[in-house]
Amino acid sequence: SYVLIQPPSVSVAPGQTAKITCGGDSIGSKSVHWYQQRPGQAPVLVVYDVGDRPSGIPERFSGANSGNTATLTISRVEAGDEADYYCQVWDGSSDHPEVFGGGTKLTVL
Amino acid sequence: QLQLQESGPGLVKASETLSLTCSVSDDSMSSRAYYWAWVRQCPGKGLEWIGTLYSSGITQHSPSLKGRVTMSVDTSKKHFFLTLTSVTAGDTAMYFCARLTPFMAAGGSTNWFDPWGQGTLVTVSS
Repeated sequence: SYVLIQPPSVSVAPGQTAKITCGGDSIGSKSVHWYQQRPGQAPVLVVYDVGDRPSGIPERFSGANSGNTATLTISRVEAGDEADYYCQVWDGSSDHPEVFGGGTKLTVL
Repeated sequence: QLQLQESGPGLVKASETLSLTCSVSDDSMSSRAYYWAWVRQCPGKGLEWIGTLYSSGITQHSPSLKGRVTMSVDTSKKHFFLTLTSVTAGDTAMYFCARLTPFMAAGGSTNWFDPWGQGTLVTVSS
């Protein structure tokens, strides 16, 4: 089945830009979605179809995807952005079509 | 705004069957525009897809659960269900239900999970 690889952790100072990567074989050909999960809460969709944002998600959240890496970028990071972030793709050729990355813990210093 | 709510026993004995319900606040389930899913998260771990209930009525579940999973929907279309048999300590997790939106992207078909229920913690005791 398809595998998505994320770094376990990323640290950034407030006001700076955080980049969280999601690696997968030719992931640039897939539509990638990103979720934010704050401690003790359910995941929340923050970016879908690579770079679109659901209503209510700040423009500070953006996505890109090319080659073997998708990237979630959070600009002007705030303390409230500290959370786990997961990427997800659909792999229709697999018997395990919904695939999540292992998650990245974003720490705001 | 659509809300999902999981419910079920917080404690299940090993080798027994776990049954969960997801209650849907609006009439989304009557629309063929969405699918419905279960995802779990073992303590300190990442998100694990359990299975999807497609609008056609077909279900698909993770092969790693080795056929222990059954998903269904009630006739009122306001609830869907998860049953997991022969549970072990490894099934201790937070269980989430979620709506899946299918979409035809530039790169082909895709689905995203939104919204999610708040989750229900299930502990398997020995």
